[in-house]
Amino acid sequence: EIVLTQSPGTLSLSPGERATLSCRASQSVTNNGLAWYQQKPGQAPRFLVYGATRRATGIPDRFSGSGSGTDFTLTISRLEAEDFAVYYCQQYGSPPTWTFGQGTKVEIK
Amino acid sequence: EVQLLESGGGLVQPGGSLRLSCAASGFTFRSNAMSWVRQAPGKGLEWVSGISTDGGATYYADSVKGRFTISRDNSKNTVFLQMNSLGAEDTAIYYCAKMGPNNGWYEAFDIWGQGTMVTVSS
Repeated sequence: EIVLTQSPGTLSLSPGERATLSCRASQSVTNNGLAWYQQKPGQAPRFLVYGATRRATGIPDRFSGSGSGTDFTLTISRLEAEDFAVYYCQQYGSPPTWTFGQGTKVEIK
Repeated sequence: EVQLLESGGGLVQPGGSLRLSCAASGFTFRSNAMSWVRQAPGKGLEWVSGISTDGGATYYADSVKGRFTISRDNSKNTVFLQMNSLGAEDTAIYYCAKMGPNNGWYEAFDIWGQGTMVTVSS
C-alpha cells in the first residue's frame, strides 16, 4: 500500500503570500494518479486537482499542481482569505486502495 | 445540480450495526464508481470502501474488511454502507463520494456529500 506523507504539518502565511505544500509517496504513483483536496471546518472536502496537474472545474488558477513519480506539490500563488484551510493529497493510481496524506493546515500568520 | 445526500447516521452501541445510504442526483449514477470516506473527530480522511459501476467489484480498507459491506442500487441512484460489529474506532463523519471526473475505476473523488455522523458509544 502506498503511504503519502505531507509536509509541513502547518504552514503559517499571510494573505498575498505563496503557499507550497508537499506530498511524498512511499512508492511511485501510477499514471500520476494524485489528487488534492481542500477542507474547511465543518465542510466536506472540495476537489481541487487531479492527475497531479489538472485543475478541477471551477478551481481558480492560483491553485496549481505539479510533480510526478513520488514527489508532488500543490502551490497557491497568492493566498486569499478563503484559502486558509486544511489540504489533503490522495493517490488513486493504484486501486484497490485510495490513500490520503495526513493533511497540511494553512493558517493565517 | 450534482448532489450526494447521506443519511442513516446516529448513535449506536458497541457491537451494533448501522446502514448508511447515499442518494445521488444530477449525474448518470450508473456510470460512476462510488466510495465511502470517513473522518474521525479532529483527524484526517480515511478511504473506507469503493464499488464499481455495476456493483460487481467492491473493495475495503483493512480496518473495516469483514465488518462493512458496500452495495448500490442503480435503479434508485443510491449507494449503501452496511456497518456491523461497530467499535469506538468507527466513530466518524462518513462521506459518500462520486469517483471522477471521468467514468473509470482509477479516479479521484470529484463530488462529495455533506456527510453523516456515526457515533459508537454505550
